[in-house]
Amino acid sequence: DAMVIQNPRYQVTQFGKPVTLSCSQTLNHNVMYWYQQKSSQAPKLLFHYYDKDFNNEADTPDNFQSRRPNTSFCFLDIRSPGLGDAAMYLCATSTSDRGRSPLHFGNGTRLTVT
Amino acid sequence: QKEVEQNSGPLSVPEGAIASLNCTYSDRGSQSFFWYRQYSGKSPELIMFIYSNGDKEDGRFTAQLNKASQYVSLLIRDSQPSDSATYLCAVNMPGNNRKLIWGLGTSLAVNP
Repeated sequence: DAMVIQNPRYQVTQFGKPVTLSCSQTLNHNVMYWYQQKSSQAPKLLFHYYDKDFNNEADTPDNFQSRRPNTSFCFLDIRSPGLGDAAMYLCATSTSDRGRSPLHFGNGTRLTVT
Repeated sequence: QKEVEQNSGPLSVPEGAIASLNCTYSDRGSQSFFWYRQYSGKSPELIMFIYSNGDKEDGRFTAQLNKASQYVSLLIRDSQPSDSATYLCAVNMPGNNRKLIWGLGTSLAVNP
């Protein structure tokens, strides 16, 4: 089945220690998104790629970076995680970045910062 | 006014009843409306999407869109305990660079 796969499911890192989360897709969708979701909150868009075009949200901290080396893979790098970065990180794909197409989510990565 | 509003709940219904979840939005130009189900600790899962005024049915789920009144609803017929989850409404906002704006979700509890 075509899907969005995130690794790892759970990630524990130390305060200030860089961490990378990965996402892969077999849907061949043009758009890949990274969302951050904290408990009882709506998903918060960090950035998205339309093909190779990177779109950063204005309020995404510089601490968060992303790479999309090819259509199938996308990475989220957190350069110096703080306690406030503990959250569920969600990767999603869609065929359009105009909000017209449904998002297909991976299983998420739960990040803990100690 | 928040851009996408949902009653946080919890909404509690008995097993077999109809659960009605509502969502209002602020941008009259919005064209795409999505309902996602999210179990605790899991990622959102697409339930329904609707683009045109009226009803759209898929199994036990019906999405209802009224653009004039700027609301979209999700009805769940014959509710099951496995439907207990948070339901997130997401709406595209043409006036916000076409972003998808999310509500905070409504928590649904279906009691056996």
